[in-house]
Amino acid sequence: SAVISQKPSRDICQRGTSLTIQCQVDSQVTMMFWYRQQPGQSLTLIATANQGSEATYESGFVIDKFPISRPNLTFSTLTVSNMSPEDSSIYLCSVARGGGTEAFFGQGTRLTVV
Amino acid sequence: AQKVTQAQTEISVVEKEDVTLDCVYETRDTTYYLFWYKQPPSGELVFLIRRNSFDEQNEISGRYSWNFQKSTSSFNFTITASQVVDSAVYFCALSRDYKLSFGAGTTVTVRA
Repeated sequence: SAVISQKPSRDICQRGTSLTIQCQVDSQVTMMFWYRQQPGQSLTLIATANQGSEATYESGFVIDKFPISRPNLTFSTLTVSNMSPEDSSIYLCSVARGGGTEAFFGQGTRLTVV
Repeated sequence: AQKVTQAQTEISVVEKEDVTLDCVYETRDTTYYLFWYKQPPSGELVFLIRRNSFDEQNEISGRYSWNFQKSTSSFNFTITASQVVDSAVYFCALSRDYKLSFGAGTTVTVRA
């Protein structure tokens, strides 16, 4: 398995501000992702964090709102920009290995925007 | 398109009862992977089991077992002799190109 550390684990932020979430993996991985889980909902993929190039965003998510960095094969950040209460969610970092046979998640960042 | 359906929204059982969670999926891929995850109230997503599309052998792992039927596109998950600590939201997921599509989740409450 992979050990994934996410920081912060939770935060309460003012609307209009931005929060950067960090994800650190204990080993090098090629495929790294960010998911969002809105209150009482399932998980939705935000984007694929590509090492050395721009992230690939899913429909409904844009770089200006969710900029992502991936400077190396063990680390990524997700920024939630210009936050509104609708951004209150759990954000989860995930890594996939083994041709898609393994998928592990960080403990999540529980974000509340007030 | 990938789609995962968990028709059961909530299940409530008394401790020691068995719990079966239903999952139906849609995909055009011939090779794919199916997962079950558990999300306790603390929020982290815990990997439970995985099955690939070319292996329909059903297995038991401790109190967990699963029934994968390609003919009906179903991947059901059973907890035997449930315990209070099994109370959580359970997600079924389908993998394509390393990305996961999740079902809506089933909330399981096990009462003492």
